[in-house]
Amino acid sequence: DQQVKQNSPSLSVQEGRISILNCDYTNSMFDYFLWYKKYPAEGPTFLISISSIKDKNEDGRFTVFLNKSAKHLSLHIVPSQPGDSAVYFCAASATASKLTFGTGTRLQVTL
Amino acid sequence: EPEVTQTPSHQVTQMGQEVILRCVPISNHLYFYWYRQILGQKVEFLVSFYNNEISEKSEIFDDQFSVERPDGSNFTLKIRSTKLEDSAMYFCASSLGSNQPQHFGDGTRLSIL
Repeated sequence: DQQVKQNSPSLSVQEGRISILNCDYTNSMFDYFLWYKKYPAEGPTFLISISSIKDKNEDGRFTVFLNKSAKHLSLHIVPSQPGDSAVYFCAASATASKLTFGTGTRLQVTL
Repeated sequence: EPEVTQTPSHQVTQMGQEVILRCVPISNHLYFYWYRQILGQKVEFLVSFYNNEISEKSEIFDDQFSVERPDGSNFTLKIRSTKLEDSAMYFCASSLGSNQPQHFGDGTRLSIL
């Protein structure tokens, strides 16, 4: 099941710079998209979401962009902080149903 | 901040035995979910539950599995006759509405020997 793909398994960014995490999807029925952060031995923590009627949603340092024609979304974190180091998952759902997750991108924010 | 709690954090069980994984969703949430993550693989959906019945289930969720909301606070996943391949992290989640963010617990690591 490759409906949601995160092609970069890892990303390293310097503290203070922008982190950009990418996600692609194939199912055109997806209408709600979320980003989660996960630390080891913890469950996914909800960060930010966007519905398909929007192309941008912002919450503090986190902004999610949705490009429906390209079936692509991205998460921007600015400025990046060491505490942001974690695995980031994008997830998608179609008409308020189950979440389909990507494989995750490990973000390392260096000093 | 309210959170989803799961017990136990780690369960070790002999193959063929039954296990019950427990979850206390966020108190005003109405939708409940179970997901699992086999080591090295994606988080995958098992089942969703609303209004005291299953609203959707995946092909993984066969007759071996069942869910129950025995009272106003707990949500359980029962796995009968466990198999080695049931070893995984099992996550419970809840949401206020069907198109609202799902909030996850820290998971139960299930090890089948």
